[in-house]
Amino acid sequence: EIVMTQSPATLSVSPGERATLSCRASQSVSSNLAWYQQKPGQAPRLLIYGASTRATGIPARFSGSGSGTEFTLTISSLQSEDFAVYYCQQYNNWPRGTFGQGTKLEIK
Amino acid sequence: EVQLVESGGGLVKPGGSLRLSCAASGFTFSSYSMNWVRQAPGKGLEWVSSISSSSSYIYYADSVKGRFTISRDNAKNSLYLQMNSLRAEDTAVYYCAREAQPVDYWGQGTLVTVSS
Repeated sequence: EIVMTQSPATLSVSPGERATLSCRASQSVSSNLAWYQQKPGQAPRLLIYGASTRATGIPARFSGSGSGTEFTLTISSLQSEDFAVYYCQQYNNWPRGTFGQGTKLEIK
Repeated sequence: EVQLVESGGGLVKPGGSLRLSCAASGFTFSSYSMNWVRQAPGKGLEWVSSISSSSSYIYYADSVKGRFTISRDNAKNSLYLQMNSLRAEDTAVYYCAREAQPVDYWGQGTLVTVSS
């Protein structure tokens, strides 16, 4: 099984600042990496797929990078609605797509 | 607009059974593989099972293999999860999710609580 490890577990950032979230795979997943946002009581929402392609309707302040085993999600200027939990998921080993444990992005 | 609406969750005793349903609309259901993904209270996301568009290929996580059965009815635009021999550790919100490599749409989820 491919293990996905996200860091940090919690990230405190002020509105308007940049947030950088990391995700590491235990073995190469090529660019088959997605990022999801989940707010309390809601289902996850797809933000990024193919490591760097924004999903439909996702604002340009969200960007993804990386390949192989190291990936990053960057939110360039945090808005109030961006404070949530973020998950990465590899789908290189489809259908056994494994998720990271999540990073909680909280207001500083 | 893509919509996925789960139903069938509830409280069940250990060893009991439950059948979840997911009604899909807003897309050609028969063209997509579908998944069940669960989330235990306060925890992360766990893939449970996948089924291909024509039901030819079916996969399960090791944690549910032999106890859960995924199925679909393309004529009814519906996805199902039959859960037997339920355990306390199966307590979670169960999401129906459309597969587009990766999952691109999720339902709102249905809560399954396994407790005596």
